[in-house]
Amino acid sequence: DGGITQSPKYLFRKEGQNVTLSCEQNLNHDAMYWYRQDPGQGLRLIYYSQIVNDFQKGDIAEGYSVSREKKESFPLTVTSAQKNPTAFYLCASSTSDRAGGDTQYFGPGTRLTVL
Amino acid sequence: KNQVEQSPQSLIILEGKNCTLQCNYTVSPFSNLRWYKQDTGRGPVSLTIMTFSENTKSNGRYTATLDADTKQSSLHITASQLSDSASYICVLRRNYGGSQGNLIFGKGTKLSVKP
Repeated sequence: DGGITQSPKYLFRKEGQNVTLSCEQNLNHDAMYWYRQDPGQGLRLIYYSQIVNDFQKGDIAEGYSVSREKKESFPLTVTSAQKNPTAFYLCASSTSDRAGGDTQYFGPGTRLTVL
Repeated sequence: KNQVEQSPQSLIILEGKNCTLQCNYTVSPFSNLRWYKQDTGRGPVSLTIMTFSENTKSNGRYTATLDADTKQSSLHITASQLSDSASYICVLRRNYGGSQGNLIFGKGTKLSVKP
């Protein structure tokens, strides 16, 4: 059963703690992405990776970190430096077709709440 | 100023009725425009994709149109069903750099279909 999975679905964190969100895909996609979604706002790109062992900052990377040690996995760490971490986090993956025909496939999301 | 503006912000219609959602953009040039459907608490799912040279694309009861002259796209839903209740997001891919981080997301239109 191919797809992209995120865990956990709900996550609660105390202020000042780091937390890592999991994202795994078995679609054999080269590129992976992390987005943040807040009520009434469009998705905003946090980080993306076009290939293993390489990643780039998106529009709102401050307070976040990522790693891409395996093609299938792209975990996101929300650090204590992120001022407003409560949000819905979406992971996505796509082929690396630079002609523009790639479609991003999204995971089910993780809702992070900071207490 | 938002580069992708969607209207209306929310919409309520009766089951079986048609509706049209709007997307106005200023992103130029762009390589493609997508419409995604996002169920509450889930990740977005791609409905249609159009290159800048295409005028229309259909996917079942969903028909997207693109007018590059007026910089407008619309998503028409025919014979709405209760399962169409979701947020619909317009997404443009900027046409430079070949980077896959160049997606601009609209804030979405929340559609509620009532029985």
